[in-house]
Amino acid sequence: DQQVKQNSPSLSVQEGRISILNCDYTNSMFDYFLWYKKYPAEGPTFLISISSIKDKNEDGRFTVFLNKSAKHLSLHIVPSQPGDSAVYFCAASGSSGSARQLTFGSGTQLTVLP
Amino acid sequence: KAGVTQTPRYLIKTRGQQVTLSCSPISGHRSVSWYQQTPGQGLQFLFEYFSETQRNKGNFPGRFSGRQFSNSRSEMNVSTLELGDSALYLCASSLSLSVPNEKLFFGSGTQLSVL
Repeated sequence: DQQVKQNSPSLSVQEGRISILNCDYTNSMFDYFLWYKKYPAEGPTFLISISSIKDKNEDGRFTVFLNKSAKHLSLHIVPSQPGDSAVYFCAASGSSGSARQLTFGSGTQLTVLP
Repeated sequence: KAGVTQTPRYLIKTRGQQVTLSCSPISGHRSVSWYQQTPGQGLQFLFEYFSETQRNKGNFPGRFSGRQFSNSRSEMNVSTLELGDSALYLCASSLSLSVPNEKLFFGSGTQLSVL
């Protein structure tokens, strides 16, 4: 049973446009969420995070939105650049019980077309 | 500061064999986590070590084990290899326990192929 789901395995976007990557979770004990980016032949690197006490966190071109009632988060990249082409993983964790384990989604391959 | 180092980079084994993977965390980081990545499955948590003690374990069979040394370096062992163990094994380090809100720093992984 996947507790963190990324339902879109791939996404293609034109350079300069907005990329929106989505993630859904089922465990209500999750209260901290992260996005990681992975290039081929490299390990994932941290991109941005958000605590459940917030509904938005912004860092440069990257913004993460959290909708707790819908158990949904999204990553917005504006404007998208070819160098953003990578696999994006969302991850979630919490302070207690079954959430005390960083759980990753299956990833979304983003391709930004020049 | 050197990043997380994993060795070897590639491994080819046959069914029934055992394998040991190594991970050196970033200097000063005390927590090491291991993940298995397979196509379409994302990163599956194996276990986490902190101060030489296993602090958390994922849903993997007992064939998967690990340990952490006093210098925070960690090893992961898989015994009686099965074809389904073919995957990219990623190690990540963090200053403290990974949950609830530590940032992980990943190595490039060890690609294991079981024939």
